[in-house]
Amino acid sequence: DQQVKQNSPSLSVQEGRISILNCDYTNSMFDYFLWYKKYPAEGPTFLISISSIKDKNEDGRFTVFLNKSAKHLSLHIVPSQPGDSAVYFCAAMASNTGKLIFGQGTTLQVKP
Amino acid sequence: IAGITQAPTSQILAAGRRMTLRCTQDMRHNAMYWYRQDLGLGLRLIHYSNTAGTTGKGEVPDGYSVSRANTDDFPLTLASAVPSQTSVYFCASSDISGRAYNEQFFGPGTRLTVL
Repeated sequence: DQQVKQNSPSLSVQEGRISILNCDYTNSMFDYFLWYKKYPAEGPTFLISISSIKDKNEDGRFTVFLNKSAKHLSLHIVPSQPGDSAVYFCAAMASNTGKLIFGQGTTLQVKP
Repeated sequence: IAGITQAPTSQILAAGRRMTLRCTQDMRHNAMYWYRQDLGLGLRLIHYSNTAGTTGKGEVPDGYSVSRANTDDFPLTLASAVPSQTSVYFCASSDISGRAYNEQFFGPGTRLTVL
C-alpha cells in the first residue's frame, strides 16, 4: 500500500524548458512534504519542502505546489539545466510520527 | 566536512552470513534512520532511533536489527543475510529536538549484494 506515489518513472526535457514532477499521496494526516534529489552513487539531498498550511513554496529555480484537496504536489524546475538530471524523490510526513514516507522516485533527464 | 559516513561502500555477502553496516554522524543529531532503496519502491524505512538508547521499527524491519549506544553511531545488522536483502542501504540523521518538521541528511549509501 503505497501512501506516496510518483507515477512517472522517468521524464525527459530539453535544457531551458520547464520540468514538472508529480507526486500523489493518500494519507490525509500528512502535513509536511519534501523533495529530495539523488545523483548516482550518492545519498539523497534535500531540495525543497512545503508545509500543509501553504500551497506554494519557491526557492530559486525550484517551486513546489501543494493541492491538498487533490492530495497532489508537484515540483517545477525552471529553467531546467543538464545538472538537474537526477532521481527526484517526493516524501511526506505526519508531524506526530516524525517519519518520512518516500515515493518511488522519478528519473529526470535534461538534454542539452 | 561534517556529515554522515557509511561503511563499507559496497559488499558481496554469502547467504546466511552475518553483516553489520556502519553509520556515523558528526552533526550531533538526535535522530537516526536506516532506509533501503529498491528500484520501483523508493526508499523504505527499516529502523529508526529518536535518541541514544532508543530504537523503533520502520516499514520493513524483519531480518534487521539496530542499536544506538551513543549519539553518533547507528549500526544496522543482518543476522543471517538472504538474497532479498540485496539493496542499497542509506543511513540518515536529523535534529528533531523541539521541531515538528525535520529535514533528514543522508549518507552516501552501502550497496549490498547477497548471493
